[in-house]
Amino acid sequence: GENVEQHPSTLSVQEGDSAVIKCTYSDSASNYFPWYKQELGKGPQLIIDIRSNVGEKKDQRIAVTLNKTAKHFSLHITETQPEDSAVYFCAAISAGKSTFGDGTTLTVKP
Amino acid sequence: DSGVTQTPKHLITATGQRVTLRCSPRSGDLSVYWYQQSLDQGLQFLIQYYNGEERAKGNILERFSAQQFPDLHSELNLSSLELGDSALYFCASSASSGPYNEQFFGPGTRLTVL
Repeated sequence: GENVEQHPSTLSVQEGDSAVIKCTYSDSASNYFPWYKQELGKGPQLIIDIRSNVGEKKDQRIAVTLNKTAKHFSLHITETQPEDSAVYFCAAISAGKSTFGDGTTLTVKP
Repeated sequence: DSGVTQTPKHLITATGQRVTLRCSPRSGDLSVYWYQQSLDQGLQFLIQYYNGEERAKGNILERFSAQQFPDLHSELNLSSLELGDSALYFCASSASSGPYNEQFFGPGTRLTVL
């Protein structure tokens, strides 16, 4: 089955700095890669996604890049703000099944 | 608020018991997904239903079963509960069955098995 590895497990940055979270996947049939933000006591919320036929996607301060050959994708958050502090999960979708990374706890210090 | 509702919010029960978790999808969504989130196993996909029919199956134990009713709400039944079943159970919904549809997650049901 699919295996998704996510790094780092924790990330602490100063407000205004950039944050990068990386994921690798094993199943070459995976064709959709969403990123979720989970705040304490809440369910995950989609923040950005990318399909396998696209190399990069950007939405304001958030961007995702995908390297299909290397089977890795990354989340980039620029100009971080304290409200960006949360747990971030990457996922890879193959045949309708989602496999998640273990999550990255991002702390943005004011 | 995602528009997905889950009941109950908390559930405490004993080993060997059976519980039912309920999910109401967003208005108009036809797909429902169930996930388990635990400290040791992370976030795991259990099962997906689309318009009443099972569409995809993940790491769902045989002791667990789910169904989606004609009004599109879904129930996840967990039986012969073990301590390791203690976790947060999330339901998500999306407009249709394809992989590219945004999934909206509910607030979760926290299950504690004593």
